[in-house]
Amino acid sequence: QLQLQESGPGLLKPSETLSLACSVSGGSISDYYWTWIRQAPGKGLEWIGYMSSDESGSYNPSLRSRITISIDSSKNQISLKLASVTAADSGKYFCASTPNTGSYYFYGMEVWGQGTAVSVSS
Amino acid sequence: SSQLTQDPAVSVALGQTVRLTCQGDSLRMYSATWYQLKPGQAPVLVIYGQNNRPSGIPDRFSASSSGNTASLIISGAQAEDEADYYCNSRDTSAQYLIFGGGTKVTVL
Repeated sequence: QLQLQESGPGLLKPSETLSLACSVSGGSISDYYWTWIRQAPGKGLEWIGYMSSDESGSYNPSLRSRITISIDSSKNQISLKLASVTAADSGKYFCASTPNTGSYYFYGMEVWGQGTAVSVSS
Repeated sequence: SSQLTQDPAVSVALGQTVRLTCQGDSLRMYSATWYQLKPGQAPVLVIYGQNNRPSGIPDRFSASSSGNTASLIISGAQAEDEADYYCNSRDTSAQYLIFGGGTKVTVL
């Protein structure tokens, strides 16, 4: 059974780069598309972007200039880097998987991690 | 860019039916996906690809769509259905996904 576990620094200062990892167990990274989603405190879900092992993917246009999603198959990990963070980037960050059947947009994000909390404060 | 609009909150009596709506221009072209989110838990996919339920999702959850509006219907709401529900679809540019603002469902 596919399981995902996010990890990260928890606390950052403004202007730093956020680096998060999503560790995958119970499945092959190449069998899925991988998405990052976040939820600011008291707010709704925000789609950050997705990537597959063949490096196809897309990013939220509002974040595109600051984000990089990459896959390390040797470590069974998906990473998210978000540069120049501000307090507005605080929240809970989730990774999620979608079966890699050729249509990222059809099947939805079926397996989610529990999320990791990020706080940006000076 | 387009957006998806959901009612902030709805309530339903135990055992009754509730319809959650999601409106947006992109829904004329693309189907909505629906997620359930409870405090402190990971989101759960409840509907994908127009009206498909993943394994383990009760059949009281269904979806429909008309024009620019997608709906999630909970038939015979249970206490455990109390949660926030988010719709999700492609943007009209077709290059990325957007979420609605979410609807808080209270089961009375």
